[in-house]
Amino acid sequence: GESVGLHLPTLSVQEGDNSIINCAYSNSASDYFIWYKQESGKGPQFIIDIRSNMDKRQGQRVTVLLNKTVKHLSLQIAATQPGDSAVYFCAENSNAGGTSYGKLTFGQGTILTVHP
Amino acid sequence: ETGVTQTPRHLVMGMTNKKSLKCEQHLGHNAMYWYKQSAKKPLELMFVYNFKEQTENNSVPSRFSPECPNSSHLFLHLHTLQPEDSALYLCASSQEVGGRVGQPQHFGDGTRLSIL
Repeated sequence: GESVGLHLPTLSVQEGDNSIINCAYSNSASDYFIWYKQESGKGPQFIIDIRSNMDKRQGQRVTVLLNKTVKHLSLQIAATQPGDSAVYFCAENSNAGGTSYGKLTFGQGTILTVHP
Repeated sequence: ETGVTQTPRHLVMGMTNKKSLKCEQHLGHNAMYWYKQSAKKPLELMFVYNFKEQTENNSVPSRFSPECPNSSHLFLHLHTLQPEDSALYLCASSQEVGGRVGQPQHFGDGTRLSIL
């Protein structure tokens, strides 16, 4: 079946470094992608999304890159801070026939640890 | 504050008990979701409601019974649960299901459920 997965389960960085979290997807019909951050004891928090008609989208200190050719998604966090320590999930949705929006497929998550 | 509130935050129950989880969203959304999050597993979609109508039951055992009285409230009624049902149960909402473009889902902080 279709799936979304992450290359690395853990990532450790020093405060101030840039972080890159990767995600691979297999559904060629995927056309909407989301990154979530989940801190301990909390639910997933929306960070940024991107549609398949874009290659790059920037937010505050975060950038999402989409490579549809190799079905790869990445989240870049600039000047990583200790408060960025969390689990990061990617999720995708496909518009198969225009009726499947609302059903997201989630990756397992990458644990980001930022050392002061 | 995510706009999605779940109660209780923690619940311990025996296998013969009946309890309910509650979710309320203040985002004006029309779609609501229940997810199960177990350790080291991706988020598992359980149920989807769109404009109060159930649109998805992801092969969930009948000991879990959802209820959606209106677009702002969602319940998950629990009865005769098993130890393997211990997990974090997350509620989410989005603008609607089946729209023309993808939309993010916004999550509550979950109910941590422990079955004795």
